[in-house]
Amino acid sequence: QSALTQPASVSGSPGQSITISCTGTSSDVGTYNYVSWYQQHPGKAPQLMIYEVTNRPSGVSNRFSGSKSGNTASLTISGLQPEDEGDYYCSSYTSTDTRVFGGGTKVTVL
Amino acid sequence: QVQLVQSGPEVRKPGASVKVSCKASGYSFSSHGVTWVRQAPGQGLEWVGWINAYNGKRNYGQKVQGRVTLTTDTTTTTAHMELRSLKSDDTGIYYCARGDMVRGIFEDFWGQGTLVTVSA
Repeated sequence: QSALTQPASVSGSPGQSITISCTGTSSDVGTYNYVSWYQQHPGKAPQLMIYEVTNRPSGVSNRFSGSKSGNTASLTISGLQPEDEGDYYCSSYTSTDTRVFGGGTKVTVL
Repeated sequence: QVQLVQSGPEVRKPGASVKVSCKASGYSFSSHGVTWVRQAPGQGLEWVGWINAYNGKRNYGQKVQGRVTLTTDTTTTTAHMELRSLKSDDTGIYYCARGDMVRGIFEDFWGQGTLVTVSA
């Protein structure tokens, strides 16, 4: 199972919106609404930000939103803030009853 | 509050085995799954596998299939990951996380991670 494709880095100024893409195939992202997104700060464990494409866990800011079109899922961060800096990973359930992660995207707040 | 506390760092030689534990508390252990994810130094996340804590159903990632065994003990609410025939590229931080019960499609609480170093 190949990793999902994410851009290596995305940057934006405080207050702006950014979008991170996550491209898979018809064996994962394209078929299942089981895409999740994780934020990871250096030296820390990942934190769930979005699950099942669009759902936000309690405690996660509504500035984070998810969507999907075809084989590509996206995470949008609105009103970018300095604490949003970190690495972001997408993940999808697959047709082989396993999971696959994206390579990760480093978000920088300018 | 939900907590997952993992065992301490391990150092092993190539070809050896390692077993990492993950003690869960603050929720109904048998109503969830446990997912294991690893991260090589400076690299991204890699899905190792998932186990349903109620019925023991499990799935493993392709890279570790045949070398890994996930287990759970509902009496002690502890999950274990054993990895055998260790190679240098198994070096990394291993995380356990609370997953959903049906398919392990996302994880909402994570352990602190366990560093496993494989070196001659």
